[in-house]
Amino acid sequence: KAGVTQTPRYLIKTRGQQVTLSCSPISGHRSVSWYQQTPGQGLQFLFEYFSETQRNKGNFPGRFSGRQFSNSRSEMNVSTLELGDSALYLCASSLGKLEQFFGPGTRLTVL
Amino acid sequence: AQSVAQPEDQVNVAEGNPLTVKCTYSVSGNPYLFWYVQYPNRGLQFLLKYITGDNLVKGSYGFEAEFNKSQTSFHLKKPSALVSDSALYFCAVRNNAGKSTFGDGTTLTVKP
Repeated sequence: KAGVTQTPRYLIKTRGQQVTLSCSPISGHRSVSWYQQTPGQGLQFLFEYFSETQRNKGNFPGRFSGRQFSNSRSEMNVSTLELGDSALYLCASSLGKLEQFFGPGTRLTVL
Repeated sequence: AQSVAQPEDQVNVAEGNPLTVKCTYSVSGNPYLFWYVQYPNRGLQFLLKYITGDNLVKGSYGFEAEFNKSQTSFHLKKPSALVSDSALYFCAVRNNAGKSTFGDGTTLTVKP
């Protein structure tokens, strides 16, 4: 089985721009979660989608949004980028509430 | 609110010695507990999980973890550490609604 894929792998944006990240889960996995990883804040949960519905949400501002398509692929959007949004964004898929399988991440740099 | 605490930012052990990486948690209901490992410049990899049953669970690469309900702990252990075990380890809890919370991570360094 193919693993979780994330595109793009690297992104450089400037403040005020917006960005869309994409995640393709493992075939058959209907749960997709997004995380932000930074050296100082560790791994922070953004949101989880299950069958096209947002099932759980972390404590991030409304600039962070996501969606899931009928084929379980998910996108995450960040609007009005800030310098502090620079981070590694990880996507993970799972079968229900079991272990998560992570993609390689998208490294976002905001200048 | 659920939470995970990994009290040690760093654990150093000598190769061949046993290792323990500590984790305590707080969650409503029955916990789903996990350990993940992250090698440099790579994504997280699943190591092992506790859902129900035997308190001692075995996982990949010779790792095991012991679930202790009264102490709300889920410590990661390995009888004999390898240099290649050096990495960043995360403990995580997932509640019945599927929401995951990760600890801050513990950097394990195994010296030859």
